[in-house]
Amino acid sequence: GEDVEQSLFLSVREGDSSVINCTYTDSSSTYLYWYKQEPGAGLQLLTYIFSNMDMKQDQRLTVLLNKKDKHLSLRIADTQTGDSAIYFCAESGHNQGGKLIFGQGTELSVKP
Amino acid sequence: SAVISQKPSRDICQRGTSLTIQCQVDSQVTMMFWYRQQPGQSLTLIATANQGSEATYESGFVIDKFPISRPNLTFSTLTVSNMSPEDSSIYLCSVELEGWQYFGPGTRLTVT
Repeated sequence: GEDVEQSLFLSVREGDSSVINCTYTDSSSTYLYWYKQEPGAGLQLLTYIFSNMDMKQDQRLTVLLNKKDKHLSLRIADTQTGDSAIYFCAESGHNQGGKLIFGQGTELSVKP
Repeated sequence: SAVISQKPSRDICQRGTSLTIQCQVDSQVTMMFWYRQQPGQSLTLIATANQGSEATYESGFVIDKFPISRPNLTFSTLTVSNMSPEDSSIYLCSVELEGWQYFGPGTRLTVT
């Protein structure tokens, strides 16, 4: 079945850039999403990218999609301590009836 | 965007009892989803609840354990029946609106 993989942890210093990576297996993925979950909170939709796009930029966030390699990344510029959270990559495919397949989540730790 | 609320936000329940979780959205949506997030884990889809039809359950989830209601386009309930400690999780509802998926804040359930 479809699978989404992420590394589990990332630690950066405040002010540096963070890059969170994700790979997926479903070649029919139509939307790819990044969600943020802060401790004890629900999921916040950060950004998304359509499968026919290579890049999307939104303020400090840059999403890169390599469809050939089925690789998605989220770059956070000038990372702040408030960016510390778990980041989930998710994909929805053409034949999945709208359901999302989530990665395991990457815990981002930002040190001052 | 969609604003989603869930009730209760958290509960502690005894083994063998049942809990009904409510999900309310501020827009009319066709597709609503219920996810489970076990401690330290990613999200797993329980079922898809479309108004006017029976809920569709994912592999490993059954209607007797997780009955769902979807009486109208803005509301759904998920019941966790005959609970055991293994049901301790965060339960999240989500909706699809204009291609985006929005999540509620979650219901944190602890079964003792």
